[in-house]
Amino acid sequence: EAGVTQFPSHSVIEKGQTVTLRCDPISGHDNLYWYRRVMGKEIKFLLHFVKESKQDESGMPNNRFLAERTGGTYSTLKVQPAELEDSGVYFCASSPLRGQEETQYFGPGTRLLVL
Amino acid sequence: QKEVEQDPGPLSVPEGAIVSLNCTYSNSAFQYFMWYRQYSRKGPELLMYTYSSGNKEDGRFTAQVDKSSKYISLFIRDSQPSDSATYLCAIPVNRDDKIIFGKGTRLHILP
Repeated sequence: EAGVTQFPSHSVIEKGQTVTLRCDPISGHDNLYWYRRVMGKEIKFLLHFVKESKQDESGMPNNRFLAERTGGTYSTLKVQPAELEDSGVYFCASSPLRGQEETQYFGPGTRLLVL
Repeated sequence: QKEVEQDPGPLSVPEGAIVSLNCTYSNSAFQYFMWYRQYSRKGPELLMYTYSSGNKEDGRFTAQVDKSSKYISLFIRDSQPSDSATYLCAIPVNRDDKIIFGKGTRLHILP
């Protein structure tokens, strides 16, 4: 079974540009989460989709970040316009709805560098 | 006070040693506790999962939760160079909810 995949693996952009990150969860997983790790800090929650609905977006830093999950399958996270402090590793995770355990399966992350 | 505190290390130990990794947390309502392992340039992968207080063993790994002191531990016996990674303590707020992570401890097992 394929795991969570993320694209691109790396992205280097200039301040003010737009970047779109994509996450493909494990097939059949209704829960999809976005997290971010900035250098020197812990991994922090951004938002949570259940199918196509935003369940919790309390971790989104500001309105420059827009997440979508049309059709309840893959998700995109757009940063527009990007700022220097947006640099970090963006992780996507997925899990089945009301699974037996609390396991969230993580993708390899997208490393974003804003210059 | 951070919700989950973890010493980032790095921690270097010789091969074969017993490793002890620890975290503290602040919210007594937390019920589920996890340890993720993250290799360089990879995503976190679940290593151990426990519910409430007590011990859970899986091969060379033992997870321990002490809810009275809000303290969670991961022990690695007979450590191997392949255990070199960052270990993250992780606490889901609730079922199907976000996870709160510690900073992660970088562990180096020296051959």
